[in-house]
Amino acid sequence: AQSVTQPDIHITVSEGASLELRCNYSYGATPYLFWYVQSPGQGLQLLLKYFSGDTLVQGIKGFEAEFKRSQSSFNLRKPSVHWSDAAEYFCAVGGTGGGNKLTFGTGTQLKVEL
Amino acid sequence: DTAVSQTPKYLVTQMGNDKSIKCEQNLGHDTMYWYKQDSKKFLKIMFSYNNKELIINETVPNRFSPKSPDKAHLNLHINSLELGDSAVYFCASSQGAGVDTQYFGPGTRLTVL
Repeated sequence: AQSVTQPDIHITVSEGASLELRCNYSYGATPYLFWYVQSPGQGLQLLLKYFSGDTLVQGIKGFEAEFKRSQSSFNLRKPSVHWSDAAEYFCAVGGTGGGNKLTFGTGTQLKVEL
Repeated sequence: DTAVSQTPKYLVTQMGNDKSIKCEQNLGHDTMYWYKQDSKKFLKIMFSYNNKELIINETVPNRFSPKSPDKAHLNLHINSLELGDSAVYFCASSQGAGVDTQYFGPGTRLTVL
């Protein structure tokens, strides 16, 4: 069975500081990995995805993530956080063995201090 | 232009009632989904349709019945609503039935009193 763990429920960072959100996955085949962001009262917006190739992927809004197969991780990073980045962030895993079924982590709520 | 839209945005109803949530996508995608987000923000897939055929049906009470009149629409009908059905329901779509990026609607917040 596929699963995703986001160990940090809440993270608070100062504006301008760097950010790393952790994501660990469990999947029996080649994983396809996603990061989505949910602003309050909004739907989910795709930040970036990893299907294959370069393990460092760039996304929108200055975010990037690195796929590390040996650690079963897909951590999200941003070098300098803006106040507008405050939101809920979800990591998700899918794969060829499960159709297009995405399994989401429980999310990390990011607060940005001005 | 809204890619994936849902109506209504908010739905407040009494226990035992029957209600429907509608979803439409204008992306030309073949596959649509329903997700439930509970009060702890945990997202779980409920159903998936590809070209109007059911392809994913998770462990969901049979009070929930999806209907896809065409591949641009996927509606969710819920019978005999219960308190535990209170949640935010998200519709999503993707190009194909394999692994692909899913695009989400704005969500429908259902409150059962």
